[in-house]
Amino acid sequence: QVQLQESGPGLVKPSETLSLTCTVSGGPIRNYYWNWIRQPPGKGLEWIGYISYRGTTYYNPSLKGRVATSIDTSKNQFSLKLTSVTAADAAVYYCARAGYSPYEAFDIWGQGTTVAVS
Amino acid sequence: EIVLTQSPDSQSVTPKEKVTITCRASQSIGSNLHWYQQKPDQSPKLLIKYASQSISGVPSRFSGSGSGTDFTLTIDSLEAEDAATYYCHQGSTLPFTFGQGTRLEMK
Repeated sequence: QVQLQESGPGLVKPSETLSLTCTVSGGPIRNYYWNWIRQPPGKGLEWIGYISYRGTTYYNPSLKGRVATSIDTSKNQFSLKLTSVTAADAAVYYCARAGYSPYEAFDIWGQGTTVAVS
Repeated sequence: EIVLTQSPDSQSVTPKEKVTITCRASQSIGSNLHWYQQKPDQSPKLLIKYASQSISGVPSRFSGSGSGTDFTLTIDSLEAEDAATYYCHQGSTLPFTFGQGTRLEMK
């Protein structure tokens, strides 16, 4: 079955750039919308943004233009970059799949990767 | 952005109890409301999509209802394994948003 796996540094310095990659296995990356969601320690879920297999993106305005995503269909991977990080960006970061439309439910999630800022 | 408000924030529950969690949207979202379950140290799991559509592999004791601004997740005959935090998510209007979560704790 389809699985998602996040990877990237677990520690980022303040003001630097957080970079994560999500690898899709067991199924295609094409035809779907791919999302990033984060969860600060002990808090709820915050949607960061999505990228389609064609490279269409939308980001949460709350992140004030600090977010960028990319997709590599040849590697079945998509990536997240978050610039100028602060302690408020420390969280578990999840990648998740929506359906053929970005408005669909997130039916598959990665296990999450913890990012600390210090 | 659309604000989703869940109630209660937390609840102490017993096995076999029937539990109802509500999610209210700050504006109408049709049926574009999805429910997730998150157990400690796990990623969220999709329970219900489009307010009331069941998901393959999810126990039938989980059901959803509602449309517009008011939605409900019902757990019939709660089991110990249902102790978790539950989130609603609206996929109607960008940016997508989640409710603050409802934590169910077993007595």
